[in-house]
Amino acid sequence: ETGVTQTPRHLVMGMTNKKSLKCEQHLGHNAMYWYKQSAKKPLELMFVYSLEERVENNSVPSRFSPECPNSSHLFLHLHTLQPEDSALYLCASSRGENYEQYFGPGTRLTVT
Amino acid sequence: GENVEQHPSTLSVQEGDSAVIKCTYSDSASNYFPWYKQELGKRPQLIIDIRSNVGEKKDQRIAVTLNKTAKHFSLHITETQPEDSAVYFCAASETGGFKTIFGAGTRLFVKA
Repeated sequence: ETGVTQTPRHLVMGMTNKKSLKCEQHLGHNAMYWYKQSAKKPLELMFVYSLEERVENNSVPSRFSPECPNSSHLFLHLHTLQPEDSALYLCASSRGENYEQYFGPGTRLTVT
Repeated sequence: GENVEQHPSTLSVQEGDSAVIKCTYSDSASNYFPWYKQELGKRPQLIIDIRSNVGEKKDQRIAVTLNKTAKHFSLHITETQPEDSAVYFCAASETGGFKTIFGAGTRLFVKA
């Protein structure tokens, strides 16, 4: 399962740190997504990029900042996070709207 | 806002029995309904999807039905096997948008 990769797989950071999550897709897809997965909650869509343009921003706090330099790479820059931001962050890609999304393995983030 | 409700949250069946998971959605513009399976510690993967121009779709032991009038859709798994044990998520999205709304998930246990 190497179509969508994410690094790092695990991250522990303090509330004052700055870190970045990276996602890369090798499927030739045009759309990329960031989701937050917390225990006992639905998958929450955070951001969507289509052809490197942000098309969805789902009321996400500004301490999360996405970047999509090209259609194969997606970043999520993190700064001054809160403990409640601890979760699994999943990246996904798709051919376009209303097509199957292929997920990465996720980054397990812990904010201390 | 848009909402997808999923029931039950937990389902336990005996091997060989059938399992049914139901979802309702609120946005009448939704027209794409995927189902994802997430095994423990793994990424979500699409198992079946249906678009609004059909009422039913089947793939071996898995079937999905859609009732657009009532705004609900269901996943049916027949002849369940222990390897079907996982969390299943329904989702809904509309044409012209990348926003996918996920249900809260159903944890399925298949007892051998």
